[in-house]
Amino acid sequence: QVQLQESGPGLVKPSETLSLTCTVSGDSISSYYWSWIRQPPGKGLEWIGYTYNSAISRYNPSLQSRVTLSVDTSKNQFSLKLRSVTAADTAVYYCARWDGGPTNWGQGTLVTVSS
Amino acid sequence: QSVLTQPPSASGTPGQRVTISCSGSRSNIGGNFVYWYQKFPGTAPKLLIYRNNQRPSGVPDRFSGSKSGTSASLAMSGLRSEDEADYYCATWDDSLHNWVFGGGTKLTVL
Repeated sequence: QVQLQESGPGLVKPSETLSLTCTVSGDSISSYYWSWIRQPPGKGLEWIGYTYNSAISRYNPSLQSRVTLSVDTSKNQFSLKLRSVTAADTAVYYCARWDGGPTNWGQGTLVTVSS
Repeated sequence: QSVLTQPPSASGTPGQRVTISCSGSRSNIGGNFVYWYQKFPGTAPKLLIYRNNQRPSGVPDRFSGSKSGTSASLAMSGLRSEDEADYYCATWDDSLHNWVFGGGTKLTVL
């Protein structure tokens, strides 16, 4: 059974770059698509994007100008970079395997944007 | 405001059958597969239904999904207290070029 675990700073300053990593176990990262989803406090779920071996990526149009997803096959990890963050980017960030939609999810990690 | 419309709340008593609706349009539900998720506070969403009506292994057959036109439904039979959670529908939207979630339905087991 695939397992995913998010890691990264829990606090990011405004205008800086939010960087998170998702470590995948139980699956080869090269075999699937992988995605990120977030949930701001008290709000609904928002899809960020998905990627396949860094070669194919698709992003939420509202975030596309600030987001990059990448895959490190040597570490079986994939990453999220969100640039120029503001308080509106404060959320629980989830990584998930993508199979037509998010299937297996990580437990999530809270990232707060604050000075 | 979500592209997919779900009732904010639903309720039922133990053993009852409850249905949660998800209303969309031709650009999303009408032309794409619908997924359903169960989410407890402070935990990650869990996939309940994929491709409209398919259950992942380990999901009880008390949970079922259906789709008709631009609407989808999640049905739960033999309701249990542990089913009390938030439920979200989701699908791809061809017009928005975006994966979209419903606003979520909070299920209360009375």
